[in-house]
Formats: sequence, C-alpha cells, structure tokens
Amino acid sequence: TQLLEQSPQFLSIQEGENLTVYCNSSSVFSSLQWYRQEPGEGPVLLVTVVTGGEVKKLKRLTFQFGDARKDSSLHITAAQPGDTGLYLCAGVKTGGFKTIFGAGTRLFVKA
Amino acid sequence: KAGVTQTPRYLIKTRGQQVTLSCSPISGHRSVSWYQQTPGQGLQFLFEYFSETQRNKGNFPGRFSGRQFSNSRSEMNVSTLELGDSALYLCASRVQGNTGELFFGEGSRLTVL
Repeated sequence: TQLLEQSPQFLSIQEGENLTVYCNSSSVFSSLQWYRQEPGEGPVLLVTVVTGGEVKKLKRLTFQFGDARKDSSLHITAAQPGDTGLYLCAGVKTGGFKTIFGAGTRLFVKA
Repeated sequence: KAGVTQTPRYLIKTRGQQVTLSCSPISGHRSVSWYQQTPGQGLQFLFEYFSETQRNKGNFPGRFSGRQFSNSRSEMNVSTLELGDSALYLCASRVQGNTGELFFGEGSRLTVL
C-alpha cells in the first residue's frame, strides 16, 4: 500500500486541454514536493508546499496543499507536449526525515 | 553550481556478481539518499546518509549496502545480484534541515542478465 496515492496513474490528452493530478494520504506531512521526470533522467523538483491551504503557481502549473496537509493537487492549464513526463509527489511525514514518493502519474500530451 | 553526479550511467552485470555505484552530491549538501526505481514499484527508498552515518534505511535485504565519505560522496553496493535488481538507481542530495527537497542525479541504469 502506497503511503502517498497518486491519481490518475496514466493520462493521455490533447495539447491545450487542462488536467489535474491528485496526491492523497491518510498521514500528515510537514512538507510536500512535486517532481517531474523525463525518460533517462532523474526527477527534477518543481515546487515545495509547507503550509496547509497553500497555493503556488509556476507558469501554467498550479499546486495546492490541502488544509490538513494530507493531500495535494497539481493542475496544468493548456497542456503542451513539453509537459509530457512522469509527475511524482513526495512528502516528509511530520517528525520524520525520510522522503516518501507516490507511484507517479505518467502524462502524455499529444500535439 | 554542479549538480549531483552519478557514475556509471549504464552497466550490465550477470546474476551473482556485485556492483558499486557512486554519487557525488551538490557542493555543500551533506545528506545523500539512494532510491531504486522500477516500472512496477516506482521509487523505493534504500537509505540515507548524513555526515558518514546511515540515518534512515528502507526495506531492502542486506545485499544492499552503502557508505558515505568525509567529502559527502557516497557509494552503494549490491552483492549477489539477482534479475530483480535491474533498475534505475537514483542518488539525491539535500541540505540538512530543509523542507525535504531532493536534488537528483541522472541515475545509474543497472541491467542484470
């Protein structure tokens, strides 16, 4: 059982569409990160959220941390082929040091 | 500032052999973590080192081991390789005391035949 549940696992959309990826847990996290990984490379950090209810924007990407710090979402507006990749959420449980990863959402944006 | 460097990038071994992977963290980062990534299991935590001490360990058998040197460089070793050890091994470094942000290398792709 994954401590961080990501959904959907796979998403194939047309360029210009919007999408949302979810990351849920029954545990409370002191911080949560989103990463993007492209084939043959390591994950690259996109954002960190630490405060319940926090919203951060990175160009067309909007990240939200749940009020209870148990869940997060990533919304992409007007997706482009360059957004294609594996999106991973990760978190550090309150009181811990170990970073735990979700299984990932594989996004494919067709031109 | 140079990123996390992992060597080798690709390697092929046969069952029963052993392998050593190397990781040089970002300058100033004292924590190094290792992860195994496979299509079926995703990113699985192996262990984390800080100041030459193992601080956390994942649920992997004793065949998987690691160490960290005084310059923060780290190595991991897998002995008696099995087919199921084929994976992308990722190293990540971070600054001590931060919010958990990890900076990854490009990984070492291990294939066990």
